[in-house]
Amino acid sequence: AQSVTQLGSHVSVSEGALVLLRCNYSSSVPPYLFWYVQYPNQGLQLLLKYTTGATLVKGINGFEAEFKKSETSFHLTKPSAHMSDAAEYFCAVSDLGGGSQGNLIFGKGTKLSVKP
Amino acid sequence: ETGVTQSPTHLIKTRGQQVTLRCSSQSGHNTVSWYQQALGQGPQFIFQYYREEENGRGNFPPRFSGLQFPNYSSELNVNALELDDSALYLCASSLLQGRDGYTFGSGTRLTVV
Repeated sequence: AQSVTQLGSHVSVSEGALVLLRCNYSSSVPPYLFWYVQYPNQGLQLLLKYTTGATLVKGINGFEAEFKKSETSFHLTKPSAHMSDAAEYFCAVSDLGGGSQGNLIFGKGTKLSVKP
Repeated sequence: ETGVTQSPTHLIKTRGQQVTLRCSSQSGHNTVSWYQQALGQGPQFIFQYYREEENGRGNFPPRFSGLQFPNYSSELNVNALELDDSALYLCASSLLQGRDGYTFGSGTRLTVV
């Protein structure tokens, strides 16, 4: 079975500060990992994904994440927060690596607040 | 390219009623999945359709059912609505069964009273 744990339901940073959102996963097969962002009253937008290959992946809006197999982590970072980054962020794992159907298992989300 | 569109955006139903939610996949996508997102929670997988066949289902009762049509649009049907069914229902589509990630719609907010 697969699962995702997002540490911290709410993270607050100052504008221009480093953003670090933590995600740990559990998977019995090579994981496909995703980060999504959700703005109020909207659906989910894909920020970035890890499938195979390079463990440091870059996404949209200056975000990046590093897959660390030994730590079963896929933390999301951005060097300098912007007010427009305030939203809820979801980490997700897929079982596609094991040849399954590829549905997503989501964490509970981390709400990011950015202070001026 | 068009994204994923869902209708209606908001819906209020009475307990015991039935509801149908609709989704148009992104152009060219042959896989569609439905998720339920309760307030303050992450989305939970309901089921997935690939080329009109259900090929995966989460931990939801049979009163949650679906269809995928030849043009890859989809419906989610929920019978005998319960108060706990109140949630945001998200449709997501993909070309490669999620290998390239899923494109999500904006969702349908269902309130059961």
